[in-house]
Amino acid sequence: EAGVTQFPSHSVIEKGQTVTLRCDPISGHDNLYWYRRVMGKEIKFLLHFVKESKQDESGMPNNRFLAERTGGTYSTLKVQPAELEDSGVYFCASLPLAGVRETQYFGPGTRLLVL
Amino acid sequence: AQSVAQPEDQVNVAEGNPLTVKCTYSVSGNPYLFWYVQYPNRGLQFLLKYITGDNLVKGSYGFEAEFNKSQTSFHLKKPSALVSDSALYFCAVRDGGTAGSARQLTFGSGTQLTVLP
Repeated sequence: EAGVTQFPSHSVIEKGQTVTLRCDPISGHDNLYWYRRVMGKEIKFLLHFVKESKQDESGMPNNRFLAERTGGTYSTLKVQPAELEDSGVYFCASLPLAGVRETQYFGPGTRLLVL
Repeated sequence: AQSVAQPEDQVNVAEGNPLTVKCTYSVSGNPYLFWYVQYPNRGLQFLLKYITGDNLVKGSYGFEAEFNKSQTSFHLKKPSALVSDSALYFCAVRDGGTAGSARQLTFGSGTQLTVLP
């Protein structure tokens, strides 16, 4: 079974540019989460999809961040325009719909550097 | 609100010695507790979890963790450290009483473990 995949693995952009991150969850996992770790800090929750619906986006920092999950499969996270403080590692995780005690499995992350 | 504290940014231990990485948590309901590890330039790997049952949980690579409800702790341990255990370790909690789909994890800030040869 393939794990959670993320693309790109690294991205270096200039302030003001746009970047789109992609996450492909484990096949059949209806729950999809985005998290972010800025340098030296804790990993923070950004938002949660159940299928194609946003269940909780309370962690999104501001309206420069837009997440989508069309068709309930893969998800994208767009940052537009990017700012210096957006630099960090963006993780995606997925979880089956059922199974309250299940484990979230994480992707390898996208390392974003905004110059 | 739920929170996790990892009081040590860095833990150094000699190879072959036992290691402990500390974690305390705060959650309103029953805690579901997790340990993840991040090796250099890799993603987060699941190590072990506590949901219910025995307080001592065994996981991957010889790691174990002990759930202590009275101290609200979930320290990660290994009897004999290996150089290859050197990595960044994250403790995470979720409120097991949360209904429905609100299952996001709350993480600690991470502890860098260095095992010295």
